[in-house]
Order: sequence, then structure tokens, then C-alpha cells
Amino acid sequence: DVQLVESGGSLVQPGESLRLSCAASGFSFSDYWMSWVRQAPGKGLEWVANIKQDGSATYFVDSVKGRFTISRDNAKKSLYLQLHSLRAEDTAIYYCARGSLTKGHDYWGQGTLVTVSS
Amino acid sequence: DIQMTQSPSSLSASVGDRVTITCRASQGITNYLAWYQQKSGKIPKLLIYAASTLQSGVPSRFSGSGSGTDFSLTISSLQPEDVATYYCQKYNGAPPWTFGPGTKVEIK
Repeated sequence: DVQLVESGGSLVQPGESLRLSCAASGFSFSDYWMSWVRQAPGKGLEWVANIKQDGSATYFVDSVKGRFTISRDNAKKSLYLQLHSLRAEDTAIYYCARGSLTKGHDYWGQGTLVTVSS
Repeated sequence: DIQMTQSPSSLSASVGDRVTITCRASQGITNYLAWYQQKSGKIPKLLIYAASTLQSGVPSRFSGSGSGTDFSLTISSLQPEDVATYYCQKYNGAPPWTFGPGTKVEIK
């Protein structure tokens, strides 16, 4: 079965950094785009970033450009999101999702909570 | 960037009712449109992709239609387990892969 397991979320202060990880299993990780999607408390879904199968292309929503980086290690079947200069508005559950150019996001992890507060 | 809007923002209907949610893109996105269902406290679930293709395992009472800028999700006979928030998302093409703001569906 496809599994995506996120980790790394925590309470941090504004301006600090954090690294989220997503461990994938049950599918050929290197064959898929991968995305991070977040959801602020009580709010809707926001696509944050995605990365091509070989890591050669990455894309970000405007609000995180220059602050977040996305990367992957296909040998470890892992996806990462490095968050810098965190702001209160970055507080959200961050989901790892398997992407497809034909289907959208067909599998999602359970999410990891990032709280930015002083 | 392409903006996605949804209407209504919420609705209340009776069990057995036919329910339709619309999603509009600010520019044409051909058929690169997905619909997700998110129940309270749960992760999103892909219902429909390519505007009208039902994801495996999704009940046939769900259907999608549209292309270009105007899309819709229809539940042919609303069931209690369909209480959720529904999101459309534009994918493929130029990022961002924007989600609509969501439509909350409740039972009357």
C-alpha cells in the first residue's frame, strides 16, 4: 500500500527554521512528482511547492518563494521541505502528497503540524 | 496566476438530494481539474481527476464535468457520509497548482 509519513513539525518562534520530512513507501517514488500542501487551522488547502521526479524542477507558491526549499532523495524515498524565516502565517498542518500530471494528488500523508509563535 | 473560485461556499441539503458544486478558473485550464473531499479532522481524498474521471473506489454517485474555465461536481443522491468540505484544484500546467476555497456540505 502507498504510505506517506511526514515528520519534523514543531513549535518554533518567528524567524526560525525547520525541516520537514516525508517518508514514502509502497510505490516507485522516483516515478512521481511530489508536493507539499498546507492547511492553516480552520482554513482551506493551500498548495505550497512541488518537485519533479528527478529533482530538476521545483515550484513554489509566491508567499514562500525565497524562504522555503523543496528537495528529495530518491534513494531514500524521501521528500523534504526546508522552511526558513518562518512567520505566524506559516502555521499549518503540512501534508506531503504524491503528485501526478494526469491525476493531481492521489495519495496524502497524515500531515505534520508547524506552529510559529513567540 | 490562475485563480480558482467555488460556489456556493456552503450548502445544506437533505439525504437523497442532488447536489452540485461549481468551480471556476480565471483562465482556461483544459481539463486539468481535480476534486477532493475532506471530512472533518481527516486528510483530503481524491474523488475526481481530469475533470470527469472517477478515482478508483469512489462511489458512482459522485460525478464531475466541465472543461476550460467552468467545472462542476455533482452528488446524485446525497448520503450522510458525504458531509465534508469539497475542494477543486487546478493541476498540471504552470504552477501554482491552486485549490479553490472549498464548499462545505451539510445535511439538512
